[in-house]
Amino acid sequence: QEKVQQSPESLIVPEGAMVSLNCSFSDSASQSIWWYQQHPGKGPKALISIFSNGNKKEGRLTVYLNRASLHVSLHIKDSQPSDSAVYLCAAYYGNEKITFGAGTKLTIKP
Amino acid sequence: AQTIHQWPVAEIKAVGSPLSLGCTIKGKSSPNLYWYWQATGGTLQQLFYSITVGQVESVVQLNLSASRPKDDQFILSTEKLLLSHSGFYLCAGRVANTEVFFGKGTRLTVV
Repeated sequence: QEKVQQSPESLIVPEGAMVSLNCSFSDSASQSIWWYQQHPGKGPKALISIFSNGNKKEGRLTVYLNRASLHVSLHIKDSQPSDSAVYLCAAYYGNEKITFGAGTKLTIKP
Repeated sequence: AQTIHQWPVAEIKAVGSPLSLGCTIKGKSSPNLYWYWQATGGTLQQLFYSITVGQVESVVQLNLSASRPKDDQFILSTEKLLLSHSGFYLCAGRVANTEVFFGKGTRLTVV
């Protein structure tokens, strides 16, 4: 069964700091990797995706994918208190199975 | 923009009682639909997916069933609830190779 592992479990950083979140997936056959943001008691919201090796930037977010090492990372520049949430990594496979990691709880201190 | 309306928002049910949760998707035609379950503080677990009306595939067995009676409707149910069914249930949809979009969820407490 496909697995997605995220690290760290939780992270506390001061406002304005660069945040780096990590995700490892078990199968290089994943079609794409997505990052989601989830606030307590709410449904996840998609932030950014990547399919090919390399990086992709959208606003303050940058995602890096290395299929050979089965690793993807999300970087948040100039973090804001409103960025505080749980960040989920999800691997999409062609058979409509979408596997989520356990998440990283991010807290941005003002 | 697509939206997902889930009902009810929250439920408190007794062990052994039946359950029916539902969602309706607006703004997208013929989406792929999904049910996810999340224990408190836990990982999102995919339960079912549906590509078309009338067809539902199970991903994990949790003594639950799902049905898709209409293109825009997805139902999750069971005849007998267990304590382990407590948690947060999320309906989700996806079109083509875009992101999965989620509803606001149903909080279920089994007592």
